[in-house]
Parts: sequence; C-alpha cells; structure tokens
Amino acid sequence: SQTIHQWPATLVQPVGSPLSLECTVEGTSNPNLYWYRQAAGRGLQLLFYSVGIGQISSEVPQNLSASRPQDRQFILSSKKLLLSDSGFYLCAWSPGTEAFFGQGTRLTVV
Amino acid sequence: QKEVEQNSGPLSVPEGAIASLNCTYSDRVSQSFFWYRQYSGKSPELIMSIYSNGDKEDGRFTAQLNKASQYVSLLIRDSQPSDSATYLCAVKYDYKLSFGAGTTVTVRA
Repeated sequence: SQTIHQWPATLVQPVGSPLSLECTVEGTSNPNLYWYRQAAGRGLQLLFYSVGIGQISSEVPQNLSASRPQDRQFILSSKKLLLSDSGFYLCAWSPGTEAFFGQGTRLTVV
Repeated sequence: QKEVEQNSGPLSVPEGAIASLNCTYSDRVSQSFFWYRQYSGKSPELIMSIYSNGDKEDGRFTAQLNKASQYVSLLIRDSQPSDSATYLCAVKYDYKLSFGAGTTVTVRA
C-alpha cells in the first residue's frame, strides 16, 4: 500500500536556527510531491512542488528551499528561521490527479 | 485576485440539515477539482474529486462543478456533529494544486 511519512510531528526552534523537514513516500514511483504551509487559522500556502528528482518549482520567494534527492524523498530546509516561519508544514504526494497529505509538522519559532 | 476563493463562513447548521459550501476559481484552464476536510489540528483528508461538469455523489456528499461559471460546490446532506470541520476547496492545473482559505462548518446537535 502507499503511505507517506513526515517527521517530526512537532518542532520548536529558535530564531536564526536551521531547519530540515523530511517527507518520504512508500509504495509508488515518481509521485508529484508538494510542500505547503498553513498559518494558524489560515488556508494552505503552496511553497514548493516537484515532478521528479532534482526538479523543484518554487511558488513563494522566502528563506525556505526544497530538494528532492531521491524519487520518494522531499526535503524542506532553511538556513535561518524567522518568527514568521511558524506554522503547520504539510507534505503531500500525488500519484496522478489526487493528492494525499502526511500528518504534518507543527513548527514554532521562538 | 486569489486563485481559489471560498465563502468565508463560519457556517453553522443544525444536525440533519444540508450544509452548502461554495468555491470559485480564477484560472479557466483548471482541470481537476477537489474537496478536503480538515479537523482541528489534523492534516487535510480528501473527500471528493470532480473533473467534469455536473454532479457527483458519494454517500452524504455531493460535489457540483460548473466550468463555464468557474464554480465548484459541496453539499453535505443529513449533517452530523462529526462533519464539524474546515472544508478546503482545491483546484489543479497541470501539476500545481492550489487551495482556498477554507470554510469552517459547525453542526449543532
């Protein structure tokens, strides 16, 4: 069966510290992968999406970056976190048309 | 103009009533349309997909699509307290999947 793993579930990081969030998908090949951020009480903001290894499309200019080093691995990074980076980070995968979400990482920058 | 707009809510309905959720999108070439349900503190869950004009029914949920009007809706019949959640409309063109801000529904027992 197809599953998506996202970790950690919660994270508290100081301002200016680096960030690395990882998402992996099992049971499928060449999925489309997505990173979203949801601020408290708000909708989902598309950050990055990828249609293949090394192929990253950025939707919002900011201090975040994404990489896809393997077919089923998608990583979200930052060199220096800002207070405004706090939020609920969601990874999603799509085998074709429909998209399915991981459990999310709740990031608090302090 | 936002790509995907939803009626802002919140929407409060009595148990057993019909909840009606609306969504409009700006990109005429959008190809696929989805409704997700998100419980507080949880990740979104796909509940409906619709690709062609007309109605699609799945249990108590009916999605309606009108591409000429760039309009998607979701009806929840016989609303239950367990339907209390935020409902997100999503629109996909090519590989890009964009979401509306969501409508929070509360079903009163």
